[in-house]
Amino acid sequence: DGGITQSPKYLFRKEGQNVTLSCEQNLNHDAMYWYRQDPGQGLRLIYYSQIVNDFQKGDIAEGYSVSREKKESFPLTVTSAQKNPTAFYLCASRPLGRQNEQFFGPGTRLTVL
Amino acid sequence: QKEVEQNSGPLSVPEGAIASLNCTYSDRGSQSFFWYRQYSGKSPELIMSIYSNGDQEDGRFTAQLNKASQYVSLLIRDSQPSDSATYLCAVYNTDKLIFGTGTRLQVFP
Repeated sequence: DGGITQSPKYLFRKEGQNVTLSCEQNLNHDAMYWYRQDPGQGLRLIYYSQIVNDFQKGDIAEGYSVSREKKESFPLTVTSAQKNPTAFYLCASRPLGRQNEQFFGPGTRLTVL
Repeated sequence: QKEVEQNSGPLSVPEGAIASLNCTYSDRGSQSFFWYRQYSGKSPELIMSIYSNGDQEDGRFTAQLNKASQYVSLLIRDSQPSDSATYLCAVYNTDKLIFGTGTRLQVFP
């Protein structure tokens, strides 16, 4: 059963705590992406990676960190430096190539208490 | 100027009508274009891809691309209440997709 999984579905965090969101894919996709979506807003790119052990900042990388130690996994850490972390976080993956399609995981909804 | 622009809506159409959603993009060199549907509280779902000028049809959905005018459109025929969602236009740029902010579609019975 191929796809992209994100866990947990809902996450609550106290202010000042770091938290790591999981993203795993078994589609053999090279590229993986993290987006943030706020209520009524579009998608904003946080980080992306096209190859293991390499990643690039997106439009809103401040306060976030990532790693890409395995092709299948691209975890996102929301650090205490992120001022407004409450949001819906979406992970996506796609094969490399301009015509290849990108697919999303189900998302993690993070709430800071 | 935003790279990918969409009217935020809401676009309201009666059940059975054709819904027409539009998107313009700024990078004339863009080659790949996608439409995603996003229900409230859910993740985006890819519904159409188009790469060359003209129409691409899949069931009740038709994507239209006009590179000279730099616009992409999505037509939904025989609209159903279950089509009510936000539709995101995305354009491939170098190594990532650039998304519009989405158009909210409401189909009323």
